[in-house]
Amino acid sequence: DTAVSQTPKYLVTQMGNDKSIKCEQNLGHDTMYWYKQDSKKFLKIMFSYNNKELIINETVPNRFSPKSPDKAHLNLHINSLELGDSAVYFCASSPYRVSNTEAFFGQGTRLTVV
Amino acid sequence: GDSVTQMEGPVTLSEEAFLTINCTYTATGYPSLFWYVQYPGEGLQLLLKATKADDKGSNKGFEATYRKETTSFHLEKGSVQVSDSAVYFCALSEGAQKLVFGQGTRLTINP
Repeated sequence: DTAVSQTPKYLVTQMGNDKSIKCEQNLGHDTMYWYKQDSKKFLKIMFSYNNKELIINETVPNRFSPKSPDKAHLNLHINSLELGDSAVYFCASSPYRVSNTEAFFGQGTRLTVV
Repeated sequence: GDSVTQMEGPVTLSEEAFLTINCTYTATGYPSLFWYVQYPGEGLQLLLKATKADDKGSNKGFEATYRKETTSFHLEKGSVQVSDSAVYFCALSEGAQKLVFGQGTRLTINP
């Protein structure tokens, strides 16, 4: 059983399109995250949700809109895609306080904007 | 704000060599420290962690000791294997519900 699963794994799309990435975790965790990994492998947090409530938004453009229908799901919708959005996006989850435990990551979604 | 700095990669070693990947951090309080590993085409996995000063985290032959006086959490392994080839990330978390990562160090082990 996959603990944190993301779909799709690969996404190629044209500039200006709107796309969504889905994430589900079956670990019963309260907190879910989206991270962006750039071409140099640098990882930066985008959003954090706790029990469906947004708690961290790291100055991400408002073209990116996360949605959490329940605490097991955190989807990422991106409007008007730009070339600079090309990256690998990772979903993750953890129990409430990640400082005391580990975060579990999905396999990533490689987004390519052409 | 909090930050993590890792040694520049890539690092290339021969099998059975000794490995050190340096990691230093900046934080206002007392963070928890982590090493995560990313194998090709996969997500990140926790390798080891330490939650307070002088704690030593260990797993799969890797070790790291939380050094508050030098704000460091260097990763070591006495004898690396080809299967250790991956990208290694040092990270911290300080209460806030997020991990702050270093830039990652790509490790390649040659047979």
